[in-house]
Amino acid sequence: QKEVEQDPGPLSVPEGAIVSLNCTYSNSAFQYFMWYRQYSRKGPELLMYTYSSGNKEDGRFTAQVDKSSKYISLFIRDSQPSDSATYLCAMSLYSGGGADGLTFGKGTHLIIQP
Amino acid sequence: IAGITQAPTSQILAAGRRMTLRCTQDMRHNAMYWYRQDLGLGLRLIHYSNTAGTTGKGEVPDGYSVSRANTDDFPLTLASAVPSQTSVYFCASRPDLGNYGYTFGSGTRLTVV
Repeated sequence: QKEVEQDPGPLSVPEGAIVSLNCTYSNSAFQYFMWYRQYSRKGPELLMYTYSSGNKEDGRFTAQVDKSSKYISLFIRDSQPSDSATYLCAMSLYSGGGADGLTFGKGTHLIIQP
Repeated sequence: IAGITQAPTSQILAAGRRMTLRCTQDMRHNAMYWYRQDLGLGLRLIHYSNTAGTTGKGEVPDGYSVSRANTDDFPLTLASAVPSQTSVYFCASRPDLGNYGYTFGSGTRLTVV
């Protein structure tokens, strides 16, 4: 079993829809959770960052962490074609990612249809 | 330079050849990382460095070496390239405090033939 599981998609939704992206993980020691967005032929960029369980909202984006279920989610409201990208979840034991970096999901390819 | 610069952007390399992928940052971040990204496998850590003069092995270090002579530069060397090293390579760094987000470069697309 991989440490972090993420459905690769592609996930295709119409413009304006609410998008739900998810990851599950096996290591209960993870405390820091991130979502990265990666456009084609670009490096990942940090979208959301949360610590432990709970919700965090930033504009159209909401990150949710349920440590009891080892499950994290990213919701995108009023989705736009510019949201089309690959979304990577990442997590860490330590606040700065620790000495050995982040553990990433494989990424979900999201397509927003105009 | 703003952020992380990687060079070259892409390269086709004959198997058995030696190659160094360059990574330079201008943010004075102490910690730097090299990842490879492959379809179906995601991002996997190759090597990391917590500060100049120190390096460590990640998940997939075999066939790769790194050095960290100063804060800004973190080159990745393939001593004798093999086709399985065909991948997109990303260099990343993170700040010491506060913002926990990693900054990634735009990547080097390497094809070993």
